Amino acid sequence: DIQMTQSPASLSASLGETVTIECLASEDIYDILAWYQQKPGKSPQLLIYDASSLHTGVPSRFSGSGSGTQYSLKINSLQPEDFASYYCQNGLSAPNTFGAGTKLELK
Amino acid sequence: EVQLVESGGGLVQPGASLKLSCVASGFTFSDYWMSWVRQTPGKTMEWIGDIKYDGSYTNYAPSLKNRFTISRDNAKSTLYLQMSNVRSEDTATYYCTRGLTPIGTTADYFDYWGQGVMVTVSS
Repeated sequence: DIQMTQSPASLSASLGETVTIECLASEDIYDILAWYQQKPGKSPQLLIYDASSLHTGVPSRFSGSGSGTQYSLKINSLQPEDFASYYCQNGLSAPNTFGAGTKLELK
Repeated sequence: EVQLVESGGGLVQPGASLKLSCVASGFTFSDYWMSWVRQTPGKTMEWIGDIKYDGSYTNYAPSLKNRFTISRDNAKSTLYLQMSNVRSEDTATYYCTRGLTPIGTTADYFDYWGQGVMVTVSS
């Protein structure tokens, strides 16, 4: 199985700040990676797929980058609705493993 | 509007069986790979498995393959998860998800998720 190591586990930031979340795959996943946002009590929502493609309706302040085994999610100019948990996911091969998540909290 | 509505969860005793259902609407169900993903109370996300749009192929997480079975009824736009010999570690919220690409070669990403159904395994 491909292991997905996500960091940090938690992150505290202020409105308007820019933050970056990292995801490290245990092997090359050829950019077949997604990022999801989950708000408390809600289902996850797809933000980014193929490492850098923004899903329909997702604000442009979200961006993804990376290649090989290292990927990142960047959120520019944090808005109140961005404080949530974020997960990366390997889409290359089954089992489609997820990172442990990053909880983004308001400072 | 795409909707995925799960049902069938609840409190179940260890060793019992349970069948979850997911009724889909708002899209052509038979065009999409579908998957089940679960989230533990500690928020760990685990992919359970998926099923091809025509039901001809299934894929499972190796640790669950012998106890969980995914099926679908395209005429009813319904996805199923049959769980057998459940254990305490199966306690989680179970999500039905849709693969991103219609008639794709796999369900690599999940663009719609149901609201989730809670399964609690306890005596």
